[in-house]
Amino acid sequence: QSVLTQPPSVSGAPGQRVTISCTGSNSNLGPGSHIHWYQHVPGTAPKLLIYDYTNRPSGVPDRFSGSRSATSASLAISGLQAEDEADYYCQSYDNNLSVLYVFGGGTKVTVL
Amino acid sequence: QVQLQGSGPGLLRPSETLSLTCGVSDSSINSGYSWTWIRQSPGKGPEWIGSLYRRGKTYYNPSLKSRVTISSDTFKNQFSLSLTSVTAADTGVYFCVRSDCSGSSCFIDYWGQGALVTVSS
Repeated sequence: QSVLTQPPSVSGAPGQRVTISCTGSNSNLGPGSHIHWYQHVPGTAPKLLIYDYTNRPSGVPDRFSGSRSATSASLAISGLQAEDEADYYCQSYDNNLSVLYVFGGGTKVTVL
Repeated sequence: QVQLQGSGPGLLRPSETLSLTCGVSDSSINSGYSWTWIRQSPGKGPEWIGSLYRRGKTYYNPSLKSRVTISSDTFKNQFSLSLTSVTAADTGVYFCVRSDCSGSSCFIDYWGQGALVTVSS
């Protein structure tokens, strides 16, 4: 059971917009927290997509965007492309558990 | 481009010690980054194992702390993981990663490919 909760799967047709939610508690998604998102194509190294809720590293397309509200965060993928089919994970820090990295269980994005 | 390459035995028997090493290219492990081991068991989300900071400071997941040691070899620019008394629950893909930390925010900017470790009798 992961500390952060994500939907197991989302799907969309090419060109559509999909969103992935990440919910937690005050100790990991509350005030002062930081959420980061990763993309993982099985068999390859995971890739940083979004850091500190909304920031994109250089090279990440602006089709990927992050947002936050209360004790949740979301990743949106606009203009869905076939290459976006992958697993997506959110990550934060939990100050109650003294765990530097807590992750969501992952969301499989399928491009129809 | 920073690269991390983990290596070590892929098959262990229960009660043995898992030892993995991660070679780092184009980034010094003496720099201000954190060097971390993450694992992922089949069908589950990633799990933090532990992290190494500058001057040898280490932090471990409380659930694994009694069995984990992370160390470094600055001359070889690599860091290592030791996990004792393994069981089938330790089966999974082990990633070595570099993290960028500022205050309470740590995100992973580079991941290794991952090393599959299977514990089976």
